[in-house]
Amino acid sequence: KQEVTQIPAALSVPEGENLVLNCSFTDSAIYNLQWFRQDPGKGLTSLLLIQSSQREQTSGRLNASLDKSSGRSTLYIAASQPGDSATYLCRSQGNLIFGKGTKLSVKP
Amino acid sequence: DAGITQSPRHKVTETGTPVTLRCHQTENHRYMYWYRQDPGHGLRLIHYSYGVKDTDKGEVSDGYSVSRSKTEDFLLTLESATSSQTSVYFCAIRTENYGYTFGSGTRLTVV
Repeated sequence: KQEVTQIPAALSVPEGENLVLNCSFTDSAIYNLQWFRQDPGKGLTSLLLIQSSQREQTSGRLNASLDKSSGRSTLYIAASQPGDSATYLCRSQGNLIFGKGTKLSVKP
Repeated sequence: DAGITQSPRHKVTETGTPVTLRCHQTENHRYMYWYRQDPGHGLRLIHYSYGVKDTDKGEVSDGYSVSRSKTEDFLLTLESATSSQTSVYFCAIRTENYGYTFGSGTRLTVV
């Protein structure tokens, strides 16, 4: 069974810290990988989409990388802010499966 | 979300009654998906569609059926709702660059 695993499940950091969220997948036929943010009681907001031919994407303080050979993607958040507090999910295109997410709390 | 709406946003229904959730898109995308989200399970794919009248099962399709008679509408039906189907349901579309855009969700409670 194809799986997408996100580590850690929860993370609490002080404001201003740089942090890395991890996503690993077992599907070798990955076409692309997408990171989302979900606020409590809300839908999913797309953050970054990395095509299979790309190694990384950047948007503001966010940088996502994709290493298909190792089956991993990382989401790097620079200079974290309390407004970054949310659950972050990754999705593997090849098998339409989501990870269970990392719940991030950034404390002022 | 822009271009995709779900209705209703909230619904409470009784066990054994049929329920239909609607997903509507304005952007003419071919692929549409229904997910459910539950604590401890994350997002799980119920059914998806790759065109009008073309649908396929996902990971947790038992107890659910779907229909897509028009490009813009993808309906999810619970033929006889059970308490285990209490969940938040999300519809998504696949865009031209193979990204996903999600609706705001439908919170369904089966009592």
